[in-house]
Amino acid sequence: GDSVTQMEGPVTLSEEAFLTINCTYTATGYPSLFWYVQYPGEGLQLLLKATKADDKGSNKGFEATYRKETTSFHLEKGSVQVSDSAVYFCALSDLRRGADGLTFGKGTHLIIQP
Amino acid sequence: GAGVSQTPSNKVTEKGKYVELRCDPISGHTALYWYRQSLGQGPEFLIYFQGTGAADDSGLPNDRFFAVRPEGSVSTLKIQRTERGDSAVYLCASSLEGNYEQFFGPGTRLTVL
Repeated sequence: GDSVTQMEGPVTLSEEAFLTINCTYTATGYPSLFWYVQYPGEGLQLLLKATKADDKGSNKGFEATYRKETTSFHLEKGSVQVSDSAVYFCALSDLRRGADGLTFGKGTHLIIQP
Repeated sequence: GAGVSQTPSNKVTEKGKYVELRCDPISGHTALYWYRQSLGQGPEFLIYFQGTGAADDSGLPNDRFFAVRPEGSVSTLKIQRTERGDSAVYLCASSLEGNYEQFFGPGTRLTVL
């Protein structure tokens, strides 16, 4: 079945550091890819998405590129802020397989220190 | 406008009891999803409704779990004969239609003693 693997946390960085959170996936179809974020005390929010190979999703300074050849969707940000501290989830949906729900990774807890 | 709401926010029950968890989706959203998130894990898909019908219930773990959405809006997730392993945060999400962005509620934390 479909699966998503993302790097274990917690990831601790200093403010203004460069961020990469790795995400790779396994899917039988041709999935859409997502990054969701959960800030402390809040619900899951969509951060960005990409629906086909080589698409780049971007939002709030975060970017991720859909790489079909490496089955990856790594999340990057050039200069993180304390307010970026949250749990980040990589996810996919595989509508061509007829699966309507999202398949999530385990999440990566990001801690940004001032 | 109002987002997805879930009640109760916390539920503590004893092993073997029956529980109901409620989800109020965003008004006008026809698609509704239930997920379960265990500690340290990502959300796990349980069931998807398009309107009143369950279009995909492949994620329900066993027949103790059941969900309804009788009028195509509010949904209730029902768990019979709860077990300690059912303890988790149960998340609800809704979207305009089946392949649009999903908006998540804050979740119900279920603890089975």
